[in-house]
Amino acid sequence: DAGITQSPRHKVTETGTPVTLRCHQTENHRYMYWYRQDPGHGLRLIHYSYGVKDTDKGEVSDGYSVSRSKTEDFLLTLESATSSQTSVYFCAISRQLAGGGNEQFFGPGTRLTVL
Amino acid sequence: RKEVEQDPGPFNVPEGATVAFNCTYSNSASQSFFWYRQDCRKEPKLLMSVYSSGNEDGRFTAQLNRASQYISLLIRDSKLSDSATYLCVGLYGQNFVFGPGTRLSVLP
Repeated sequence: DAGITQSPRHKVTETGTPVTLRCHQTENHRYMYWYRQDPGHGLRLIHYSYGVKDTDKGEVSDGYSVSRSKTEDFLLTLESATSSQTSVYFCAISRQLAGGGNEQFFGPGTRLTVL
Repeated sequence: RKEVEQDPGPFNVPEGATVAFNCTYSNSASQSFFWYRQDCRKEPKLLMSVYSSGNEDGRFTAQLNRASQYISLLIRDSKLSDSATYLCVGLYGQNFVFGPGTRLSVLP
């Protein structure tokens, strides 16, 4: 357990509305990630952060923005939700190992439905 | 072509069987590889890291072949509780690239 929580866990919203998902970690990890998971596509990286106010785009960043004003929180915003953004969203952290290398741990996920 | 590819399955095996999953990767720059397990409607969980020398954890054995660019996972004496989707993952810098996963069903 890497102390990662996500909120909300489930959300149903309408097309065109803004949506913000929150990821919270308690272990002070530098790297945080947002993924979406869809049938047939597996996990795809949306955005990631390598520190407070430091973020970069992933494979499927269009239509999403992120912010990280504190180490423990990484927010994902859909400015104007579309039905194609219906998905399961996972937050993750990267934990550095004592012997070198990194391992990734995930939050429980947010199931988002855009009608 | 995806950077990390897996046979999607499903693999349906009887309890007690040995099952092997393979994963291929196209970018040789990856520093590390991993196997994750994902249960239905749950988050992926780290199963094991994969080392060039191969590593074993109980009934699970992982191997990395850098020359041929593939990773394998062997599960011996499979249990009903092993039923899940197994994800192959490569680490490139600080980015983790996931394969689509292989679904395993262990049948009584």
